[in-house]
Amino acid sequence: DIVVTQSPDSLAVSLGERATINCKSSQGVLYSPNNKHFLAWYQQKPGQPPKLLIYWASMRASGVPDRFSGSGSGTDFTLTISSLQAEDVAVYFCQQYYTTPPTFGQGTRLEIK
Amino acid sequence: EVQLVESGGGLVQPGGSLRLSCTASGFTFRTYWMSWVRQGPGQRLEWVANIQQDGGEKNYVDSVKGRFTISRDNAKNSLYLQMNSLRVEDTAIYYCARDNGELDYWGQGTLVTVSS
Repeated sequence: DIVVTQSPDSLAVSLGERATINCKSSQGVLYSPNNKHFLAWYQQKPGQPPKLLIYWASMRASGVPDRFSGSGSGTDFTLTISSLQAEDVAVYFCQQYYTTPPTFGQGTRLEIK
Repeated sequence: EVQLVESGGGLVQPGGSLRLSCTASGFTFRTYWMSWVRQGPGQRLEWVANIQQDGGEKNYVDSVKGRFTISRDNAKNSLYLQMNSLRVEDTAIYYCARDNGELDYWGQGTLVTVSS
């Protein structure tokens, strides 16, 4: 199975500042036929299910604000929130869906400093 | 609006069984893969199983193989997870999710507690 590791485990950022979360997979997740990385990011607020933010490593899901962006290639990926808003307080997970079973990172808790 | 509603969770003793259901609406259910994902007390997400549109292909995480069975009824827009020989470590919130590779819609989840 592909192991997915996030860093840091928790993060405190001031309102309006940039937040960056990293995700590393134990092997590459590039699907060569379409040149897409099978890597997704989810946001989970307390008492709610996860919500898809980013797929194919950099594509924003429908309705996701453009302050959220995904980047990376190979085995290293990043979720960036360009200007932190109060409603962005949540746990963020990355997931690879290149192989079965799909696997998730352990999550990063994002708080307001 | 896509909606996924899970039901069937509860308290069960180790070795017992439960059947979870997920009712879908707001999209053409029969054209999508579907998955079950669980989240235990430690909050880590674990993909459990998925099923092809016509039910022909099913995949499971190793920890549930031989104990859990995923199925679907496209006429009823419903997804199921039959869980047998339950263990304490199966305690979790179980979510159904629409599976495009990425999991683009999730239900609210149903809590399964395995305890004596």
